[in-house]
Amino acid sequence: GAGVSQSPSNKVTEKGKDVELRCDPISGHTALYWYRQSLGQGLEFLIYFQGNSAPDKSGLPSDRFSAERTGGSVSTLTIQRTQQEDSAVYLCASSLAITGGSEAFFGQGTRLTVV
Amino acid sequence: AQSVSQHNHHVILSEAASLELGCNYSYGGTVNLFWYVQYPGQHLQLLLKYFSGDPLVKGIKGFEAEFIKSKFSFNLRKPSVQWSDTAEYFCAGTHFGNEKLTFGTGTRLTIIP
Repeated sequence: GAGVSQSPSNKVTEKGKDVELRCDPISGHTALYWYRQSLGQGLEFLIYFQGNSAPDKSGLPSDRFSAERTGGSVSTLTIQRTQQEDSAVYLCASSLAITGGSEAFFGQGTRLTVV
Repeated sequence: AQSVSQHNHHVILSEAASLELGCNYSYGGTVNLFWYVQYPGQHLQLLLKYFSGDPLVKGIKGFEAEFIKSKFSFNLRKPSVQWSDTAEYFCAGTHFGNEKLTFGTGTRLTIIP
């Protein structure tokens, strides 16, 4: 695709439910990142993938959060038993290889509201 | 731990004023540094990046940044701001050989017409 695509763009869920957020990176991009942006906060790193493996998942807030990437392409971020503090905009980005000189391209994000 | 810090949380300027937003990093060795901008209602987009070579980097919309290794800084500058520069600005970096991209907490810039 032309850019990084995230779905859904908005998600309202009840506390305790599970949610899945999807990211379609730019074709050919090997690195994929998930961040969380809360109101008035910066970008909180969650996890990044190099291909299908995740060299660094240190930013996942708890074991309710998990992510996977298949085929070196699409990634899914799953939040189990959602809590109100999970409400935020979840951003996905992809890049060819930042240390090789490329930049990270961002999607529009998924706004998650837990009620 | 590798980190990027921005100490200006909210900056308010009048149009035509000069801008400098601070960014400091804690990486050792070779670093890759970026400034991203997020206009209201839009997604993050790259302003400029530094990888090597000339420490003064020019970006889009008249922005520039200077990499000063001795100060671990990568401050963003613009000689004369416009109302349309109102946005949130994020500094980010990686350590060479590590693809993890770390962001600062961002600086909200408000330009008063």
